[in-house]
Amino acid sequence: DIQMTQSPSSLSASVGDRVTITCRASQGIRDGLGWYQQKPGKAPKRLIYAASSLQSGVPSRFSGSGSGTEFTLTISSLQPEDFATYFCLQHNSYPITFGQGTRLEIK
Amino acid sequence: QVQLEQSGAEVKKPGASVTVSCKASGYSFSTYYMHWVRQAPGQGLEWMGIIDPRGGRTTYAQKFQGRLTVTRDTSTSTVYMELSSLKSEDTAIYYCARDRGGDCCDPWGQGTLVTVSS
Repeated sequence: DIQMTQSPSSLSASVGDRVTITCRASQGIRDGLGWYQQKPGKAPKRLIYAASSLQSGVPSRFSGSGSGTEFTLTISSLQPEDFATYFCLQHNSYPITFGQGTRLEIK
Repeated sequence: QVQLEQSGAEVKKPGASVTVSCKASGYSFSTYYMHWVRQAPGQGLEWMGIIDPRGGRTTYAQKFQGRLTVTRDTSTSTVYMELSSLKSEDTAIYYCARDRGGDCCDPWGQGTLVTVSS
């Protein structure tokens, strides 16, 4: 199975900050990675697909980059509604596996 | 718009089985595969399996082989996830999520809480 190592596990930041979250795959997954936002009691919402493509309707302050084994999600200027948990998902091969999640909290 | 509507919360005793449904709307049901994913309390996400609604072919995570059965009813655009021999560790929120031509997963159902307790 492909292991996805996500960091950091938690992050405190302020409105307006730029934040970056990283996922590393234990083997190459090309661009088979998505980034998701999850708020308490809600289903995950996809932000980025194919590593760097912005999901329709998602604000442009979210961006993704990377290919192969290292990937990043960047939020360019945090807004109050962005405080949530974020996780990556690889679908290059079965079983699909997930990063452990990053809890983004207000400083 | 594309929507996945899941059945309601369940409480089961250890050793029992549970079936969760996922009704799709807003798209051609047979065109896209459907995944099942679960999230135990305070834990990460775990992929369980996938079904091709067109022919009913399934692929399961090794961990769930023998306990998981995913089926579909094309007449009602509904996918079903049955997990048997339940244990307390199966207490989790279970999600269905649509595949998009080999690109998992969007959107997700709202989730169904399954509680296993004696």
